[in-house]
Amino acid sequence: TQLLEQSPQFLSIQEGENLTVYCNSSSVFSSLQWYRQEPGEGPVLLVTVVTGGEVKKLKRLTFQFGDARKDSSLHITAAQPGDTGLYLCAGETQNAGGTSYGKLTFGQGTILTVHP
Amino acid sequence: EAQVTQNPRYLITVTGKKLTVTCSQNMNHEYMSWYRQDPGLGLRQIYYSMNVEVTDKGDVPEGYKVSRKEKRNFPLILESPSPNQTSLYFCASSLIPVYEQYFGPGTRLTVT
Repeated sequence: TQLLEQSPQFLSIQEGENLTVYCNSSSVFSSLQWYRQEPGEGPVLLVTVVTGGEVKKLKRLTFQFGDARKDSSLHITAAQPGDTGLYLCAGETQNAGGTSYGKLTFGQGTILTVHP
Repeated sequence: EAQVTQNPRYLITVTGKKLTVTCSQNMNHEYMSWYRQDPGLGLRQIYYSMNVEVTDKGDVPEGYKVSRKEKRNFPLILESPSPNQTSLYFCASSLIPVYEQYFGPGTRLTVT
């Protein structure tokens, strides 16, 4: 079973601060997804990174996939109370032909609270 | 509106009483999957289906069954629920396996 270690588990910061969430594994993933989940709702996909070293930006959120495709990070600049939620990373593997095995491994999640 | 629906949203039951949680998507997605979410453990995949009549075990399949008789529906069956199956369950679907999954709103199950 592949494992994804996500850190920190909890993050409580003030509005305007920057933060980084990490997602690490000893396994190689074909792609890495980041989700955000609010209470009482299902996770919503933020971004998918597929190439080693890839960096994607979504407004104040920057996502990076490690060169070896074993780790990823989510950086939020100038956090706002609306960023509060549970952030989840999830890794997928594919066969040599690029076909997904259909399995998705999630990290434990990071609960982010941004105080006004 | 594109969506994944789950029913019921909340369920309290007793040990051993068979139950089914339904999942339906209206996006003509081929891939569907079930997850359970427990505090500190993130989401863990129970079963997934790459297409109609094709299902496979995820990481925690014990105590669960699924079926995929038609593309839009993917019910989760607990033949004999036990208290350790108390959890928050999510169904998800995507056009391409695990890529850009849409999640349902969740079903909170309590087994006493």
